[in-house]
Amino acid sequence: GAGVSQSPSNKVTEKGKDVELRCDPISGHTALYWYRQSLGQGLEFLIYFQGNSAPDKSGLPSDRFSAERTGGSVSTLTIQRTQQEDSAVYLCASSFSDSNQPQHFGDGTRLSIL
Amino acid sequence: KQEVTQIPAALSVPEGENLVLNCSFTDSAIYNLQWFRQDPGKGLTSLLLIQSSQREQTSGRLNASLDKSSGRSTLYIAASQPGDSATYLCAAGNQAGTALIFGKGTTLSVSS
Repeated sequence: GAGVSQSPSNKVTEKGKDVELRCDPISGHTALYWYRQSLGQGLEFLIYFQGNSAPDKSGLPSDRFSAERTGGSVSTLTIQRTQQEDSAVYLCASSFSDSNQPQHFGDGTRLSIL
Repeated sequence: KQEVTQIPAALSVPEGENLVLNCSFTDSAIYNLQWFRQDPGKGLTSLLLIQSSQREQTSGRLNASLDKSSGRSTLYIAASQPGDSATYLCAAGNQAGTALIFGKGTTLSVSS
């Protein structure tokens, strides 16, 4: 597709379960970003990839959160032992490597922890 | 720590009005300043990106300005239309260019 694709679009899970969220960036975009959007906190940066490396992980809120990127393309964000405060919309964005290129966002994964 | 504030939080205007959305940031050491729009249930759409060395950018009816010294950016929308109704988000690029720090947005409603 032409845009950033995220799956699933919605995920409901029980507290304590692990979840994996997937992001397919725009072809040719070497930079990939994860953000999360919640009602109380607004949009928060989580992690930045350049190729398969993550030089900025400063936004990950705890060691329950991890992310990887393979082949310079698809990325997965994993949340272990989910908590209710993890409920949010998780957004992925990609861009060309130059940080003065605009970021293109997917429609997000809405995660609900019961 | 960079903080981005947007005022007002919500704005309602009749169709055809010109309007200004405001964004302020606390740390002037930014990589760039970006404006996005977000429609309900959707991701963000990039509107304008102003590099740190630039003062403004224009696209169609949109004009964004940047004053780093005062920590301010404005988004000017000319001749507003109902299709402009959305939430507008301002984001400051951190100094390393690795992350955007977002404001909480201005929700715009344009009535016909």
